[in-house]
Amino acid sequence: GAVVSQHPSRVICKSGTSVKIECRSLDFQATTMFWYRQFPKQSLMLMATSNEGSKATYEQGVEKDKFLINHASLTLSTLTVTSAHPEDSSFYICSAPLLTSTSTDTQYFGPGTRLTVL
Amino acid sequence: GENVEQHPSTLSVQEGDSAVIKCTYSDSASNYFPWYKQELGKRPQLIIDIRSNVGEKKDQRIAVTLNKTAKHFSLHITETQPEDSAVYFCAASRRGITGGGNKLTFGTGTQLKVEL
Repeated sequence: GAVVSQHPSRVICKSGTSVKIECRSLDFQATTMFWYRQFPKQSLMLMATSNEGSKATYEQGVEKDKFLINHASLTLSTLTVTSAHPEDSSFYICSAPLLTSTSTDTQYFGPGTRLTVL
Repeated sequence: GENVEQHPSTLSVQEGDSAVIKCTYSDSASNYFPWYKQELGKRPQLIIDIRSNVGEKKDQRIAVTLNKTAKHFSLHITETQPEDSAVYFCAASRRGITGGGNKLTFGTGTQLKVEL
């Protein structure tokens, strides 16, 4: 199956600092990637859609100036949490759809990044 | 936008029994319904999916049924095993005419526990 990686897997930072998370599709190209946030014992909430070569599309209530997304290439999207605060502590997961002639853009998820803001 | 409801939130079964998880969706344009299994601290893993032109799909011990008229779909796991214990999420999306990735709306999750 398709492989999506994320880096780092875990990060602890001080309040006010910025954190960058990378999402890579390792064996396929993805013009679109998705960023989710998951709080403990809750579902995955879509934050934004990352589009290669254009601006990201943010879900309602997600601050675009706080969560900066850059889709630099067909295999890499980055999420930067700017001026992180304790309430930003969460599990951030990216996904990338694999399009084939027979599938319905099956989404493959990265392993997630556990962000803890002190 | 799409809204997906999932029930039950927790489910305990004895090993060997069947487990059923149900989801409803609101957007009649949704046409793709995947199910994901997520173990603690891990990524969601696709276990089965179904498109709107199919009413049922089966893969060994796992099956999914879809009722488009009622806008609900269900996951069925037979002969449950302890390793089936995890959180299961349903999701819905609609694939655009021009293709491309389409965002998933997730249900709230079901914590399945298979007891010995």
